[in-house]
This record gives sequence, C-alpha cells and structure tokens, in this order.
Amino acid sequence: KNEVEQSPQNLTAQEGEFITINCSYSVGISALHWLQQHPGGGIVSLFMLSSGKKKHGRLIATINIQEKHSSLHITASHPRDSAVYICAIGLGGADGLTFGKGTHLIIQP
Amino acid sequence: GAVVSQHPSWVICKSGTSVKIECRSLDFQATTMFWYRQFPKQSLMLMATSNEGSKATYEQGVEKDKFLINHASLTLSTLTVTSAHPEDSSFYICSATIGTGGLGEQYFGPGTRLTVT
Repeated sequence: KNEVEQSPQNLTAQEGEFITINCSYSVGISALHWLQQHPGGGIVSLFMLSSGKKKHGRLIATINIQEKHSSLHITASHPRDSAVYICAIGLGGADGLTFGKGTHLIIQP
Repeated sequence: GAVVSQHPSWVICKSGTSVKIECRSLDFQATTMFWYRQFPKQSLMLMATSNEGSKATYEQGVEKDKFLINHASLTLSTLTVTSAHPEDSSFYICSATIGTGGLGEQYFGPGTRLTVT
C-alpha cells in the first residue's frame, strides 16, 4: 500500500470552477509538500506545510495532522492550471520525499 | 532565488554506454541533494540522498554501482548511469534542500529525460 494516496486520479473541470484535490497519508510526517508537474516534466513546489493552512494567489493548501489528510484547492480555475498535482511527504531528518501518484487536472475553457 | 538546474535536459544514448547528469544549485548552497526517478505514468521515486563530501545513501533496490553519485561541492551533484540499458530510460529529477530533509523546502531541477536505445 502506498504511503501517500491522492484523489481523484483524474479531474476535468470547466474554467472558473473551484477545484479540490485530496491527499491522505499513513505515517507520521514532518512536512507535506504540494507540487505541480507540467507536461514537459518540470516540477514546481507550490507549498510546504506542517500545520494549518497556506494561501498563495488562487491556491490554498490545508493540512490536518491528526487525520493525516491534506487538501489543495484552486479557486477560479483557469486552463493554465492544467497540470499534474502531486502530494509528497517528508519524514524528517535527511530523508527524501515520498510521492503520491498525482492528480491529472484538466481545466477546459 | 533558489534555482536548481540540471544538464542535460534530455539525452539519448546507446545501450552499454554511460551517461552523466549534473544537478546544480545556482544561488544557494544545498545541504542535501536528492535524486529521483519517474517512469511513464508512475510517481516519482527516491533513488538516493547525497550530502556534500560523503557517500550517497541509496534506496532499497537501487544499485549503487550502476547509479554513481558524486557530490563534490555544496552546489553540484552528479548522477552517472553506468552501462545503461533500455530499462534505465526514465525521467531523472534532482532536488536540493537548505534545511534538513523533510523539514526543509526542496527545490527541484527541471529534470533530465534519458532514453537508452
């Protein structure tokens, strides 16, 4: 069983819709990361969370440490938001990240 | 700030040859660099953790003699795929961190797409 589970795997929505992507994990973590991967493969780090909520522009990320769950929200979605969104957990120390399989998001105009 | 570069961005090589991929932190000194691999339609998987001046720590199932990692300075780590085979074809991504592993922000390189023919 993967330590990091994302849902949905695929999501198609219309421009302007409010988007929610969920991430659940099964182990204690030191931080959770939300990443964006575009078709060319390059990865951009969106958020790093250890508690609470963070907001950057139209993106909001929340985490509930007790429930081992995080959500990424996109408000007023736009076609340029189309990408794969990946949840990853850091276990602390000098460990690398463990990744979910990603959510493939398509925003149609 | 916090830019990580990778070179080359893509490479095609023949089976049996070796390929070197460079990962550089351009405007900061990286405590640790990580190497990840992503097969088509799969999630990224950690291959190894690299600290400057010490031997890399490899994940289970990753052959250290096949994937040679050299972390010569706080701004450069290299991954050499030795005696490459078609099954090594993958997308290789490095990341660099200033903090300590999961506690620190990770900055990702753009990735290198390796195709072995």
